[in-house]
Amino acid sequence: GAGVSQSPSNKVTEKGKDVELRCDPISGHTALYWYRQSLGQGLEFLIYFQGNSAPDKSGLPSDRFSAERTGGSVSTLTIQRTQQEDSAVYLCASSLTGDSNQPQHFGDGTRLSIL
Amino acid sequence: QKEVEQDPGPLSVPEGAIVSLNCTYSNSAFQYFMWYRQYSRKGPELLMYTYSSGNKEDGRFTAQVDKSSKYISLFIRDSQPSDSATYLCAMSLTGANSKLTFGKGITLSVRP
Repeated sequence: GAGVSQSPSNKVTEKGKDVELRCDPISGHTALYWYRQSLGQGLEFLIYFQGNSAPDKSGLPSDRFSAERTGGSVSTLTIQRTQQEDSAVYLCASSLTGDSNQPQHFGDGTRLSIL
Repeated sequence: QKEVEQDPGPLSVPEGAIVSLNCTYSNSAFQYFMWYRQYSRKGPELLMYTYSSGNKEDGRFTAQVDKSSKYISLFIRDSQPSDSATYLCAMSLTGANSKLTFGKGITLSVRP
């Protein structure tokens, strides 16, 4: 596709369940980022992938959060034992090389609601 | 204090007005400065992208960066109802540390 694709667009789940969010970056982009957007905190960085490696995981809020990227393309963000404070929009972005002089392009996000 | 501060708004202006949006930041190491526009239930869309200090113009939009004051601005001329959206400033360090640090965003409404 032409842009960053995320699925599902919406996810409602019960507290304590595990969820998986998927991101398909722009073809050819080696860098992939996950961000979280919540009402109180704004848009916050979670993790950065360069190829299949994650040189910066500093934004992951707890060990319940993990992410992987395979084949230098699709990435999955997994949240285990979800809590109500995990409710937010999870956004994925990609850039051509991961260098700061390359702009990041965002998908439309997954809106996660924890009941 | 957050690294990037942005007026929370909301902001409402009549069609045709000049709009000024601003952010301040505390980390003098930031080198790349961006403005994103976000419509409801959509992802952020890159509007303007500048490196270091100076001005950049693209159509009705002008971005200004003043690194000495740690202050960035976005000006929108001849504002249109279609400009109604949330505007987010973002910035990053140079080189391989490319994660973005965002302001909280300001919601703009342009009244016909």
